[in-house]
Amino acid sequence: AQSVTQLGSHVSVSEGALVLLRCNYSSSVPPYLFWYVQYPNQGLQLLLKYTSAATLVKGINGFEAEFKKSETSFHLTKPSAHMSDAAEYFCAVSDGNNNDMRFGAGTRLTVKP
Amino acid sequence: KAGVTQTPRYLIKTRGQQVTLSCSPISGHRSVSWYQQTPGQGLQFLFEYFSETQRNKGNFPGRFSGRQFSNSRSEMNVSTLELGDSALYLCASSLTSGRASGEQFFGPGTRLTVL
Repeated sequence: AQSVTQLGSHVSVSEGALVLLRCNYSSSVPPYLFWYVQYPNQGLQLLLKYTSAATLVKGINGFEAEFKKSETSFHLTKPSAHMSDAAEYFCAVSDGNNNDMRFGAGTRLTVKP
Repeated sequence: KAGVTQTPRYLIKTRGQQVTLSCSPISGHRSVSWYQQTPGQGLQFLFEYFSETQRNKGNFPGRFSGRQFSNSRSEMNVSTLELGDSALYLCASSLTSGRASGEQFFGPGTRLTVL
């Protein structure tokens, strides 16, 4: 079965600084990988997804993630943080065969002015 | 195109009661998945329905059940509520089921509080 580990439950950056949210996965089959963002009192919104095409995936709001099979990682980055990026971010993995997604515990991103 | 809608948004129940939550997927989507989100356990998969059939089920007790109607709307039922059932219940829809389904679209959730 697949699983996801997000390193760091809380990350704090200054506005304009690099955002790096870490995600490592475990999967017995080639995975589908996702990053979602959740704002307070809202559902999850897809930022980007990896589905075995290009290893560098670009998403919405300037975010991107790189699939590194050798490191079993799918870290999320953004070159310059904005105040509006403050939210909780979830990494997820799916083997896709049953649409059973496994989510990480989440990383809460705080952006300081 | 309207997004995924969930009703009610907030619900307060007492232990032992039962509750039914509703989810209307995006028009044309045939797969509906349910998740429970709690601070302690995070997001956990409950079950997925596709074309009125349960396709997959997470590791939850039988008190948690669901169904899907011919119009793809789905309901989730929890019987004999326990305090630990207090959570945000999220519904997600996708076009299809399985590996080709790709993206799931999430609703805003129903926050259930059990007293």
